[in-house]
Amino acid sequence: EVQLVQSGAEVRKPGESLKISCKGSGYTFTSYWIGWVRQMPGKDLEWMGIIYPTDSDTRYSPSFQGQVTISADKSISTAYLQWSSLKASDSAIYYCARSGGFTYGPDYWGPGTLVTVSS
Amino acid sequence: QSALTQPRSVSGSPGQSVTISCTGTSSDVGRYNYVSWYQQHPGKAPKLMIYDVSKRPSGVPDRFSGSKSGNTASLTISGLQAEDEADYYCCSYAGSYTYVIFGGGTKLTVL
Repeated sequence: EVQLVQSGAEVRKPGESLKISCKGSGYTFTSYWIGWVRQMPGKDLEWMGIIYPTDSDTRYSPSFQGQVTISADKSISTAYLQWSSLKASDSAIYYCARSGGFTYGPDYWGPGTLVTVSS
Repeated sequence: QSALTQPRSVSGSPGQSVTISCTGTSSDVGRYNYVSWYQQHPGKAPKLMIYDVSKRPSGVPDRFSGSKSGNTASLTISGLQAEDEADYYCCSYAGSYTYVIFGGGTKLTVL
């Protein structure tokens, strides 16, 4: 069974850094891409970017390029999404999701990580 | 503002059919057959319902079907059931600069 297990909810202050994680199991982690999708409260889905864990080939949406960093450690089947300086507007649920390639929408999704940024 | 345009809401009675549209451009929906649809219940992660315009993953009822004409993709749900009440999002590949884009979501209400 394909599973994507995400790290728990986080509360941070503006300006702080954060790294959230997504561990894949039940499939060959290096054979699929892992993407990240943002959903702000009551809002729609926004595709942020995607990484191929085999060689760390990473693609970003223009809207998120330079705002976040996506990385992966294939040795532990885990992908990451990180911020160097959070803003209140980064408060959202962040989903990791598996894709067959960067042309495809995701097929399996993690349960989401709630990030709250507040002073 | 979302790149793909969906109606904000649709509704139907149990047993009826509803169709949700997803309008893009000749640079995304119109150019590529990489349209997928997702169902999201409140507080839950999205679930893939349709991929590659009209293919159904295993386990998705055949009441769900997808199609595309020009720059508009559609999701049709026939034989509506109460559990179909959810938000539905379309998604398309948009080329090697934008990559993947979602629609603004449609709330389906089963009356």
